[in-house]
Amino acid sequence: AQSVTQPDARVTVSEGASLQLRCKYSYSATPYLFWYVQYPRQGLQLLLKYYSGDPVVQGVNSFEAEFSKSNSSFHLQKASVHWSDSAVYFCALSMGDYAQGLTFGLGTRVSVFP
Amino acid sequence: GALVYQYPRRTICKSGTSMRMECQAVGFQATSVAWYRQSPQKTFELIALSTVNSAIKYEQNFTQEKFPISHPNLSFSSMTVLNAYLEDRGLYLCGAREGTGGFDYTFGSGTRLLVI
Repeated sequence: AQSVTQPDARVTVSEGASLQLRCKYSYSATPYLFWYVQYPRQGLQLLLKYYSGDPVVQGVNSFEAEFSKSNSSFHLQKASVHWSDSAVYFCALSMGDYAQGLTFGLGTRVSVFP
Repeated sequence: GALVYQYPRRTICKSGTSMRMECQAVGFQATSVAWYRQSPQKTFELIALSTVNSAIKYEQNFTQEKFPISHPNLSFSSMTVLNAYLEDRGLYLCGAREGTGGFDYTFGSGTRLLVI
């Protein structure tokens, strides 16, 4: 069975500093990978996705993520965070089957302090 | 743009009663609709998935008898939580997928259910 692991439940970072959120997956084939963000009292918004090709994908709000097949990882990064980036970030996986939904990690809560 | 609306945003129901929530995809033709639940301090669990021309598929631990779903079309879906108890509280998210080109979902803001 497939799974997604986000090892860091909480991350605290100062405004202007860089951010990296870790995501590891377990799946027998190459998955389709996503990062979603959940702002307070809201649903999920798609940040970026990886299907194939260049392992580094760019997303909204200057986020980017790098896929590594050898490490089974899809880490999210941002060079300089803003206080508005405070949210919960979820890594998700699709097996590439329209009859299956997405599998989510537990999420990482990011707090950005001035 | 592609949007998904969910109603109501928040609801409170007494233990043992039922509540219905709705989901509507606007601006695109949905070909799959997924219902998820986020319980307190947990991630999103898939409840059921509806795909065009296929029956609704419920995940393990979720049943049609507890979470009946109806949709005249995939742009509109409603789900009822029957006989709600404390363990049913949480955020219920509806996500819709467009076409056959991608696997990502557009999600609504969710319906937050509180059971008292």
